[in-house]
Amino acid sequence: DQQVKQNSPSLSVQEGRISILNCDYTNSMFDYFLWYKKYPAEGPTFLISISSIKDKNEDGRFTVFLNKSAKHLSLHIVPSQPGDSAVYFCAASEGDSWGKLQFGAGTQVVVTP
Amino acid sequence: DVKVTQSSRYLVKRTGEKVFLECVQDMDHENMFWYRQDPGLGLRLIYFSYDVKMKEKGDIPEGYSVSREKKERFSLILESASTNQTSMYLCASRRGQTTEAFFGQGTRLTVV
Repeated sequence: DQQVKQNSPSLSVQEGRISILNCDYTNSMFDYFLWYKKYPAEGPTFLISISSIKDKNEDGRFTVFLNKSAKHLSLHIVPSQPGDSAVYFCAASEGDSWGKLQFGAGTQVVVTP
Repeated sequence: DVKVTQSSRYLVKRTGEKVFLECVQDMDHENMFWYRQDPGLGLRLIYFSYDVKMKEKGDIPEGYSVSREKKERFSLILESASTNQTSMYLCASRRGQTTEAFFGQGTRLTVV
């Protein structure tokens, strides 16, 4: 049973606009959340993370929002650029789990000119 | 510059072969992981290790085993490769609970 869910398999957005990617989780013990970006034939690269004690974290064009009561987080990319076209994975971990991450299925983002 | 290195980018093996996938990290991380990525399924955890010679099953361990004889090296073994093990395999390492995990470049394994 998947504990981290990304219900949108794909997203198309115009260059310069905002991309919003969503992620839901079921395990209330998750206390650390991460977003990764992945190009074909490469390993995932870390984008941004958030601890459960926060509700927002910002890093340049990337902002992650966490709503613990709804068990929902989102990634905002503003402004979107062609190089942002990739698959984005949401991941979560809980304390006392040796750092293992549970991943969502991913969202393919395509940024069009 | 931190690095996780997987021994092969692409592999083609025959059904029934024993396959070894090697991963080395240079960050002195305690925790190492093996995932496989399949379309529509995301990354699924096969096995992980939190110390030398220590290993734990992930979500899909069937048909796989692992070895961690040294802190920097974590090996994934396919005991008898089958076509349903054709996938992208990703190794990762992570220092603790509140840091990012670093991934290798991936191994695209095709079993024919």
